[in-house]
Amino acid sequence: DIVMTQSPDSLAVSLGERATINCKSSQSVSYSSNSKNYLAWYQQKPGQPPKLLIYWASTRESGVPDRFSGSGSGTDFTLTISSLQAEDVAVYYCQQYYNTPLTFGPGTKVDIK
Amino acid sequence: QVQLVQSGAEVKKPGASVKVSCKASGYTFTTYYIHWVRQAPGQGLEWMGTINPSGGSTNSAQKLQGRVTMTRDTSTSTVYMDLSSLRSEDTAVYYCARGPNPTIGYYDYMDVWGQGTTVTVSS
Repeated sequence: DIVMTQSPDSLAVSLGERATINCKSSQSVSYSSNSKNYLAWYQQKPGQPPKLLIYWASTRESGVPDRFSGSGSGTDFTLTISSLQAEDVAVYYCQQYYNTPLTFGPGTKVDIK
Repeated sequence: QVQLVQSGAEVKKPGASVKVSCKASGYTFTTYYIHWVRQAPGQGLEWMGTINPSGGSTNSAQKLQGRVTMTRDTSTSTVYMDLSSLRSEDTAVYYCARGPNPTIGYYDYMDVWGQGTTVTVSS
């Protein structure tokens, strides 16, 4: 199984400041044949299902604000919120879909400082 | 709009089974795979398995094999997840979610999620 880890476990950022979340996979989730990274990011607010933010490591889902961006390749990935807004308070998960079992990171909780 | 609507909350005793439904609307049901993901209270997300609504083939997590069964009814655009031999550790919110890339099948992210179904296992 591909194990996903995230850091930090939680972070508190001032409104308007940058938030950075890291995700690492235990093996590469990139296919050399198509140069794609099989990595997605989700946002989950209390009492709600997860919401897709980013797929293919860096493609923003339709309707997601452009302050959210994804980067990275191979085993190391980053989700960046360029200017934190109050509505961004949530838990963020990364997920690999390179292989089954599909696996998620443990989550990173983002709060306002 | 694309929507997945799940059945209501369930309370079950240990050893019993539960069947959760997920009704799809707003798109061609047989085109997109459906994944099942669960979340124990205060915990992260755990993939349980995936069904191809077209042919009914499935791929499930090894730790649940033998206990989880996924089926579909194309006449009502509904998929079902049946979990047997319930134990307290199965207490969780169960989600169905659509995989938007039929060409990669089981190996996909999830773009549309159901609202979740709370399953409580308690004696």
